[in-house]
Formats: sequence, C-alpha cells, structure tokens
Amino acid sequence: QQPVQSPQAVILREGEDAVINCSSSKALYSVHWYRQKHGEAPVFLMILLKGGEQKGHEKISASFNEKKQQSSLYLTASQLSYSGTYFCGTDNAGNMLTFGGGTRLMVKP
Amino acid sequence: DTAVSQTPKYLVTQMGNDKSIKCEQNLGHDTMYWYKQDSKKFLKIMFSYNNKELIINETVPNRFSPKSPDKAHLNLHINSLELGDSAVYFCASSQVASGAYEQYFGPGTRLTVT
Repeated sequence: QQPVQSPQAVILREGEDAVINCSSSKALYSVHWYRQKHGEAPVFLMILLKGGEQKGHEKISASFNEKKQQSSLYLTASQLSYSGTYFCGTDNAGNMLTFGGGTRLMVKP
Repeated sequence: DTAVSQTPKYLVTQMGNDKSIKCEQNLGHDTMYWYKQDSKKFLKIMFSYNNKELIINETVPNRFSPKSPDKAHLNLHINSLELGDSAVYFCASSQVASGAYEQYFGPGTRLTVT
C-alpha cells in the first residue's frame, strides 16, 4: 500500500525551513527519500533503516519513528537548488520500494 | 560516465505498435528495476531483476515483457501499445535486492502513444 506524504506542496523563501512527512500503514524495514527535478530522474537523498542506521547526504537530515511507521525529512536553510518533488519510498519486507505521491517544494528568492 | 543509461529518451508511437526500451548500468550492481511514472508523477514499480532472475512482477499486463540478458542490462518490450501506456519509464539499479541500499535511476524514457 502506498505511503502518504504531507504536505502535497510547499512554497518557501530562501533560508526558510521545511518538514516533509511520510506515513505508512504497515511496519517498515526501511524508508528512502529521493528528490526529482522537473524532467529529470529521481536522485537518492537518504535511507533510514529499522534499528536506527542512516545512510545519505551529510546536509540532509531525517527521522524514522518505527512505532508510528513514519518518517520526516528536514530541509533547513533552504536554497533555490532544493526545489523539486520529494518522494519517500517505503520497504516493508526488505526488497521492494513503494513510493508516496510526492511533495512539491518550491524555493523562491 | 553515465551510471544508468536508457535508450531511447523519447518514444512516440501509435496504438497497437510494439516497442522496446533498453537500459544499461555500469555500477556493477546485481539488481535492476523498471518503474512507471504517470502524468500525476506517481512512481510505481513494475519489475525487478536480481542477477538476471525476475524477482518482482507487480500486476503488470502481460503485454509488458522484461528481459535481462546479463546483470548489467534490462530491457522492456511492450506489445500492442495502448493510450494508457503513455508515461515516463525509469530504469534503476541497486547494489543488491534489499531496501537497505539506495537506487540509482536512469534518465527516463518518455513514451507517448497516440
């Protein structure tokens, strides 16, 4: 079942912060975060694993609440380059990602 | 050096035709995927291969037939194309078939069926 992302869209000014949430109805093995710019491929940002391990870019931070089956992506001091659509992908059994509907982020000067 | 490449980038064809999309990865990964992204940007997995073996087939019409000649290549053949097949198709790869590893996506193939 597809995870639910919120908000669906957000507009920021440069320097502002944002939080994107991802919620699943099933127990999670891992949560992935990807960013997709218009006309381009999704690009990996971060993986959060059951048990607490994280892998990803140093400038990106995220949390994973295993009990609540939720993850949040924190974008701080946003830059113009952060604009794009953010997808979370959830993995319940350790072998396949199901992506959420995406969160469109626009950062304005 | 492109990590995951796809050809063609654009494909415009008529209903009823048959077409193929090719994907290659030079990352040495064991696992490759096909995803479909529709006009609402919803990204959905179609197939996954691990070392040339099909491991995921997500309720895709049998008009779609993937083939993996070796672990670096994954092709997608589509028979009798329909209007609803219009979408962007992404190939991706990961080190192994596990949610513990990130996926690297190709640039996508935009298929338009008229």
